[in-house]
Amino acid sequence: AQRVTQPEKLLSVFKGAPVELKCNYSYSGSPELFWYVQYSRQRLQLLLRHISRESIKGFTADLNKGETSFHLKKPFAQEEDSAMYYCALRTGGFKTIFGAGTRLFVKA
Amino acid sequence: GAGVSQSPSNKVTEKGKDVELRCDPISGHTALYWYRQRLGQGLEFLIYFQGNSAPDKSGLPSDRFSAERTGESVSTLTIQRTQQEDSAVYLCASSRQGSSTDTQYFGPGTRLTVL
Repeated sequence: AQRVTQPEKLLSVFKGAPVELKCNYSYSGSPELFWYVQYSRQRLQLLLRHISRESIKGFTADLNKGETSFHLKKPFAQEEDSAMYYCALRTGGFKTIFGAGTRLFVKA
Repeated sequence: GAGVSQSPSNKVTEKGKDVELRCDPISGHTALYWYRQRLGQGLEFLIYFQGNSAPDKSGLPSDRFSAERTGESVSTLTIQRTQQEDSAVYLCASSRQGSSTDTQYFGPGTRLTVL
């Protein structure tokens, strides 16, 4: 079955500390993976996608097919990174499966 | 231009009543998606429209749910005989073409509460 698992509902770190939001997926084909972010009182928006191999707002994510993971990382968290983060899997075509989300709280 | 808009922003209804939710996609976007997000859970795919092609309704949870879209414009999601388990935020998204590399742009959602 196709599934996205985000094991942490809440992640709390201090400003300046490294942060890693975990995401594991289950899919037998070639996956397309995304991270979406929702800041307080804002809409859900795309943060980054694995195919672009980009760094957005200091965040990076590497697809590890062996571990079926796509963890989101940032070396130095900022207070403005506090938000809800969703990992998502696109299984070919248009259907996108979302994880339950991790709330990141960056403390001053 | 304007982003995806949804109305109403909040809807409270009684069990058994029908509700209609509306989504206005970004102009020129041919693909439109509906998702449901229950409290504390991820987004659940409901239905997808791409241009004039037949929609993919495989995510609709029951025959009480239906959706329409006229051409590449407004879409309405209708829930008949609402149940308490229908309470959720219903999100709409649109994308330029509906290909796997497209970015989906989300609306603000409609929060539905069924009493």
